Amino acid sequence: QVQLVQSGAEVKKPGASVKVSCKASGYTFTSYYMHWVRQAPGQGLEWMGIINPSGGSTSYAQKLQGRVTMTRDTSTSTVYMELSSLRSEDTAVYYCARGTTMVRGVIVYWGQGTLVTVSS
Amino acid sequence: QSALTQPASVSGSPGQSITISCTGTSSDVGSYNLVSWYQQHPGKAPKLMIYEGSKRPSGVSNRFSGSKSGNTASLTISGLQAEDEADYYCCSYAGSSTSVFGGGTKLTVL
Repeated sequence: QVQLVQSGAEVKKPGASVKVSCKASGYTFTSYYMHWVRQAPGQGLEWMGIINPSGGSTSYAQKLQGRVTMTRDTSTSTVYMELSSLRSEDTAVYYCARGTTMVRGVIVYWGQGTLVTVSS
Repeated sequence: QSALTQPASVSGSPGQSITISCTGTSSDVGSYNLVSWYQQHPGKAPKLMIYEGSKRPSGVSNRFSGSKSGNTASLTISGLQAEDEADYYCCSYAGSSTSVFGGGTKLTVL
């Protein structure tokens, strides 16, 4: 069965960077796009970006361009999301979420979420 | 990439039907039949309920249905049950390999 296991909670100071990992199993890692979605406390879902694990190509939400980087390691079936220049507004639960074989495809499976807290 | 517009809250009594709207633009909802709907209970990850506008994944009750007209998509839940109380989010493909979510709607079952 499809499983997405994310790294643990992080506490960071403003201006720092955070890197969240998401290890996939139960399917062919390079065949399915992976999204990152975040949710601030008490707020809605925000789409952050998408990565093609096969070639590593990415597309990011305009709002996060320049601060977010998504990468993958095909040898360990793991995708990473790094967010830099952290601000208090970046405090959120970050989810990796598997899409389909097409970049336009729907998000089907979700990781358990990783809480990132930005506080001085 | 502005968020899609959803009502903040809707409510209904058990057995009734409710509809949640999701309004976008001609660049997202209006251009693609690629709207999905997610249910989220407190503290849980979202769950896919509808995809490609009106398709239901295996295991999702047929009480859930989706539709679209122009730049607005809709989720209808019929025969409301207590366990339907949750937050609901729409999501649309928005071109150039991007997607956008709605602001979310809190459903209260009275």
